[in-house]
Amino acid sequence: AQTVTQSQPEMSVQEAETVTLSCTYDTSESDYYLFWYKQPPSRQMILVIRQEAYKQQNATENRFSVNFQKAAKSFSLKISDSQLGDAAMYFCAYRRSKAGGTSYGKLTFGQGTILTVHP
Amino acid sequence: EPEVTQTPSHQVTQMGQEVILRCVPISNHLYFYWYRQILGQKVEFLVSFYNNEISEKSEIFDDQFSVERPDGSNFTLKIRSTKLEDSAMYFCASSRISGAYEQYFGPGTRLTVT
Repeated sequence: AQTVTQSQPEMSVQEAETVTLSCTYDTSESDYYLFWYKQPPSRQMILVIRQEAYKQQNATENRFSVNFQKAAKSFSLKISDSQLGDAAMYFCAYRRSKAGGTSYGKLTFGQGTILTVHP
Repeated sequence: EPEVTQTPSHQVTQMGQEVILRCVPISNHLYFYWYRQILGQKVEFLVSFYNNEISEKSEIFDDQFSVERPDGSNFTLKIRSTKLEDSAMYFCASSRISGAYEQYFGPGTRLTVT
């Protein structure tokens, strides 16, 4: 079974600074997808960024980027120029590739990291 | 922008009662999911649904749970006889197709079982 681990229950950052959230995962699959979701106090889950395992290039979305280390099974999220609106719970999530098995989209989530942004 | 909606936002029920949580996925989406999040814990997958049948379910999704797409727009989760430990936030999600495409989440229904 796949597992996702986020070892940082809480992180904090000063506004305009950079913060990195860690995530490791365990899988025997070679093809899969990784995601970071943001859950603000409103509780609605919002996709921040996705990474396909077959792509060597790290995904980037504006101020958000990932460091994907496939051999180490590590998938960290870097938030640059942090803003007050970035304060939220961040979840790392894993999804098997359909080509790798009978998966129709089940996401396996980590425990989450609460990010606090200080003005 | 299209969005997934869920009703009610908060449901309080007594232990042993049946509850139905409702979701309206995005209209051109084909895959539907339910997840739950017990307060302070991680989000857990319950079930996925495609082509009018369950495609995958977790160990949590036992005989007390069922899902249905009664018409072309609604997607429901029924809990037949609620237990205290069913108290959680329940999220519905949908995606247009499988693969790396984004699952759009609804705002959730908070279920409180007393």
